[in-house]
Amino acid sequence: DAGVTQSPTHLIKTRGQQVTLRCSPKSGHDTVSWYQQALGQGPQFIFQYYEEEERQRGNFPDRFSGHQFPNYSSELNVNALLLGDSALYLCASSTYNEQFFGPGTRLTVL
Amino acid sequence: DQQVKQNSPSLSVQEGRISILNCDYTNSMFDYFLWYKKYPAEGPTFLISISSIKDKNEDGRFTVFLNKSAKHLSLHIVPSQPGDSAVYFCAAVPYGGATNKLIFGTGTLLAVQP
Repeated sequence: DAGVTQSPTHLIKTRGQQVTLRCSPKSGHDTVSWYQQALGQGPQFIFQYYEEEERQRGNFPDRFSGHQFPNYSSELNVNALLLGDSALYLCASSTYNEQFFGPGTRLTVL
Repeated sequence: DQQVKQNSPSLSVQEGRISILNCDYTNSMFDYFLWYKKYPAEGPTFLISISSIKDKNEDGRFTVFLNKSAKHLSLHIVPSQPGDSAVYFCAAVPYGGATNKLIFGTGTLLAVQP
């Protein structure tokens, strides 16, 4: 079992650009959550996808959007990037309680 | 509005001694609490959890204590080992709803000295 995988590992973008991050959940998991971890902070909940629908959303602007595919994999899209979007983006998959995290994608916005 | 707080950014402990990591929360409407451990370049890894109806949960070297009246929980690691050196996050899950959204603290960096 490969666990939760994320791609790419690192990414550098400039302000105003758009970015897409990808996540493949652990085998057997149907729910995917996305978190943003800024430097020196704990992860902050962005949103969660279940059955291809956004089930709950944290306090993030509409520039952050997502998608879940029939195979349960997920994408996180961020439009009009700001310097403050620089962070580690974590994906977590789960079935009920315990969430398993991927290694994250490090996004740097210049 | 930081609902889950870890006021100690770092902690240094000698190998074999006890490590105590602390966490405070401001919202009484949390269903259960979890501790995660994070190594550099890896995602957080689940360690141990506790339901809001319990006051203690133990798993090997790890014990979590919950004091609801003080809105405080702590993670005890006994004995501490150098491999325990990592960032530890406390997290809480709100009551109700269909999701298990996690609300994290800011983390405590534990260094276990050989």
